[in-house]
Amino acid sequence: DTGVSQDPRHKITKRGQNVTFRCDPISEHNRLYWYRQTLGQGPEFLTYFQNEAQLEKSRLLSDRFSAERPKGSFSTLEIQRTEQGDSAMYLCASSLAVRAGELFFGEGSRLTVL
Amino acid sequence: DQQVKQNSPSLSVQEGRISILNCDYTNSMFDYFLWYKKYPAEGPTFLISISSIKDKNEDGRFTVFLNKSAKHLSLHIVPSQPGDSAVYFCAVYGGSQGNLIFGKGTKLSVKP
Repeated sequence: DTGVSQDPRHKITKRGQNVTFRCDPISEHNRLYWYRQTLGQGPEFLTYFQNEAQLEKSRLLSDRFSAERPKGSFSTLEIQRTEQGDSAMYLCASSLAVRAGELFFGEGSRLTVL
Repeated sequence: DQQVKQNSPSLSVQEGRISILNCDYTNSMFDYFLWYKKYPAEGPTFLISISSIKDKNEDGRFTVFLNKSAKHLSLHIVPSQPGDSAVYFCAVYGGSQGNLIFGKGTKLSVKP
């Protein structure tokens, strides 16, 4: 399968714990995006990379959120000191920069904070 | 403050009839408009797009119309099929942003 893959698909954690999600984009795509989706809402933009450069991170929800894309390949999204309000689906997507509007999404990582 | 509005949370249509999904946006600087479809337990998938230089784009049963003066776009599906039942998200791109901005979605149910 050559689509976008995310791991883990589901994560249940206790409040205050740190969690990390991984995204492997489509190999030839140079842009990688992180979105968050809560019930009844559309995907909410968090951050994106072009190759290894993080071009926009002001939409990360707080300083507890951070993302990396070492070597411009896979990416990780870390949430430190999780809160119940962080419970959501975290979606990763990739695209070619020249077709930046056409995102290919993974199936998402669902986070539940108890 | 929502930049992309889908005012109908749900829509129910009979199989074979036309489905019309609507979307309004606020920023005239947006220059690329897209529709995504999402099935349960899956990520959104790209469906169809239109650039601001056009007012219509057609792909099989799917047609997107853009009315720039009204800042409105719509997705027409004809004929609708039960397999079209999904949540449809309108998304916009451009202006000062390098990312897509999504609406809240419209859940389409196509009844056999």
